Amino acid sequence: GAVVSQHPSWVICKSGTSVKIECRSLDFQATTMFWYRQFPKQSLMLMATSNEGSKATYEQGVEKDKFLINHASLTLSTLTVTSAHPEDSSFYICSAQVPGYSYNEQFFGPGTRLTVL
Amino acid sequence: QKEVEQNSGPLSVPEGAIASLNCTYSDRGSQSFFWYRQYSGKSPELIMSIYSNGDKEDGRFTAQLNKASQYVSLLIRDSQPSDSATYLCAVGGNQGGKLIFGQGTELSVKP
Repeated sequence: GAVVSQHPSWVICKSGTSVKIECRSLDFQATTMFWYRQFPKQSLMLMATSNEGSKATYEQGVEKDKFLINHASLTLSTLTVTSAHPEDSSFYICSAQVPGYSYNEQFFGPGTRLTVL
Repeated sequence: QKEVEQNSGPLSVPEGAIASLNCTYSDRGSQSFFWYRQYSGKSPELIMSIYSNGDKEDGRFTAQLNKASQYVSLLIRDSQPSDSATYLCAVGGNQGGKLIFGQGTELSVKP
């Protein structure tokens, strides 16, 4: 149980285009999902907390107009990187918490590797 | 001071030895503590969670928590080459379920 999927697993796009990444909880309903970014040889950096039916909460320094997060259902959250640039190239990972499960435990999706040319 | 600190390593141990990974945190209100393993190019996978002081064992893994010293550790017994990965310490409190991650310790187990 507690499986989280992401799509696509990798994407290459041209500078200036927008890219949408989907995060799905497959066998549970996730009221809260998290989006992280990870650069090579660095740790996970939390970008935002996504709550179903409400606006995402962004971490300090993360541009909310550039990284659009939508959590329209209990099983799906999306991250759209708008007007992507080469510096946005990174490994994007989502995670979800299972309501009523172990306190604060997060289950991670497999990640999406974004390369902006 | 970083909120969650780990030695970046790399930590190199011979096969069959005990690997000891350490983590300190700054927020005394922290309530949940996790160790994740991350292979290169992959996302993190949970290997241990601990919530109260003392030791918690699961197979070859033992997590140790000392809230007074704000210290959490992970011991890996009988280390195998397949344990070679980066180990991330994560700490959670009352911040809406958020976890704060350390920078990770790279472990290399030599055959």
